[in-house]
Amino acid sequence: ILNVEQSPQSLHVQEGDSTNFTCSFPSSNFYALHWYRWETAKSPEALFVMTLNGDEKKKGRISATLNTKEGYSYLYIKGSQPEDSATYLCASLMNRDDKIIFGKGTRLHILP
Amino acid sequence: EAQVTQNPRYLITVTGKKLTVTCSQNMNHEYMSWYRQDPGLGLRQIYYSMNVEVTDKGDVPEGYKVSRKEKRNFPLILESPSPNQTSLYFCASSLGTGGYNSPLHFGNGTRLTVT
Repeated sequence: ILNVEQSPQSLHVQEGDSTNFTCSFPSSNFYALHWYRWETAKSPEALFVMTLNGDEKKKGRISATLNTKEGYSYLYIKGSQPEDSATYLCASLMNRDDKIIFGKGTRLHILP
Repeated sequence: EAQVTQNPRYLITVTGKKLTVTCSQNMNHEYMSWYRQDPGLGLRQIYYSMNVEVTDKGDVPEGYKVSRKEKRNFPLILESPSPNQTSLYFCASSLGTGGYNSPLHFGNGTRLTVT
């Protein structure tokens, strides 16, 4: 079974500070990596879909990088705001017609 | 509005009483999938479907059935629910087969309690 690991499990960040966290996945047969943002009592919402080694994607203050050779992706949040408090999930796809496997998420708490 | 609709949002039932959770999407997506969310375990895939009449087991398929007779609908069936199926369930869909370059769109979730 494909193992997708996220670290840390939980993170407390002061409002205004920048932060980042990691998603690790097996590098063999890599096909795609997804990042999702999941607010409490809502559904996960897609942030990024990344497929190429060296990919960098950005949406406002949030950005992500991808290293498929070593099997990791970083998510960065610049100047954290209270609305950034959420669980951030990554999910990996090994082959085109395969399962999408999720990590357990990083729970981000922004402190006012 | 493009969306994935799950029903019901909340369901309390008893052991052994068959139930169906419906999932429908209006985006003409090929790929549909069911996940369950349990504390400390993350989202685990139950079943997925890459197109009409094509379904495959995910990581935790035991005790569940699905069908994909139409592109828009992907119901989750629990023939004989047990307490260990108490969980939060999400249906999701995406445009491309397997999710390549196409993210998952999630329904609002169904919180199921089996007593």
